[in-house]
Parts: sequence; structure tokens; C-alpha cells
Amino acid sequence: DAGVIQSPRHEVTEMGQEVTLRCKPISGHDYLFWYRQTMMRGLELLIYFNNNVPIDDSGMPEDRFSAKMPNASFSTLKIQPSEPRDSAVYFCASSLRRLNTGELFFGEGSRLTVL
Amino acid sequence: GENVEQHPSTLSVQEGDSAVIKCTYSDSASNYFPWYKQELGKRPQLIIDIRSNVGEKKDQRIAVTLNKTAKHFSLHITETQPEDSAVYFCAAINFNKFYFGSGTKLNVKP
Repeated sequence: DAGVIQSPRHEVTEMGQEVTLRCKPISGHDYLFWYRQTMMRGLELLIYFNNNVPIDDSGMPEDRFSAKMPNASFSTLKIQPSEPRDSAVYFCASSLRRLNTGELFFGEGSRLTVL
Repeated sequence: GENVEQHPSTLSVQEGDSAVIKCTYSDSASNYFPWYKQELGKRPQLIIDIRSNVGEKKDQRIAVTLNKTAKHFSLHITETQPEDSAVYFCAAINFNKFYFGSGTKLNVKP
């Protein structure tokens, strides 16, 4: 398996534009997580899915952020409209695990810069 | 929810010395504690983990200890090498959610 695949790897956009980040989890994994990493706040969990269903989105900063998982092999994180403070590295991660066990497999990340 | 605190934020050691990173957690329901290593510009990757029914686990030069009573766990790296230089994150798992510490930047000087 190629691992968790994210695209784009780098995105530079202007404030107010819509940004869509994409993720393909490892085949067979039933959990998918979106994290945001910044120097100031470290790794923050934004949302996670189990079997394509959003379970906890309490980490989503505000209504400008939305995430979907239409099927087991694809998820998107959308920011509309984007703001400079959204600049960060966004990681998607997947895992195959029962409650409270298991390893997170991270993608390479999408580095977002909002000007 | 869970609160994971990690110390120190930066650690500089001489090659061959040992490095210790410490984490505390707040929720006694947490029962799985992984450590991730993130090299510059790369993704975090699991290096070792420990479950709540175990006090210590070793894998070559790295070891993790867990004190459930005190709610703290530590990563120990012996005989450090320059390739150990990275950011290390601890985490506590509570009801399917990974709560990460703020990270420790380890610099191993040759």
C-alpha cells in the first residue's frame, strides 16, 4: 500500500479564496483523522470519521471549515473563505483499530499558505 | 477532555548521551500512549507505544515508561545519534481521540 496520500502538497492562495485539501486513506482503514499543525498550537485534531461517518468535529475552528468523506477511500477538508491565520500544515491520518488501540498513519501533509 | 503536557520543549544533547522526554496526562480513562517522531518536513511516525497494563517497554535504544498512578509517561533514548534529531510527540488515547503533547525538539550534536 502506498500509505495515506494527500494532495496538494503545497498550496498558496489569497485570502478569501476557497481551499480544498484531499486525502486517500490506507485501504481497509476504518478511521480517518484531519489534523492541523502550527508552531504555536502543535498538532490539533480537527475532525475524525469512523466508517465514513463524522464522529467528532469539535476541533473544527469555525464554520469556514468543513470536511466530508463520501466513501471509504476519499475525504476532503474545505476552507471557505480562507484567511491568513489558516496557514498551517494539514495532515490526514488513518488507522485500523478498536477502541483505544492502534497506530495512526499520517500522510505527507498539505502545507497551506494564505496570503 | 484529556490534557497532555510535554517537557521539555527543546532538548540538546551530545552524541552518545541519553535523552529523556516527559509527558503528563489528566484523564485516568486514557489507556494507550504512543510516541511519534517527526523529522523536519516529514510526517509524524510511530516509534514506540505502551498500553496501560504495562509499566515499561523497550525497543533497542528507545524505551518508554508509564506510571498510571502519577499519570505520567516518559521516552528514553540511549546512545543518541545525529539521526535521532527530530521533534518527538507524546500522545494519550481517550475514547478514540489522540491527544498530542506540544512536542519536544531534540537536537543531537555530533
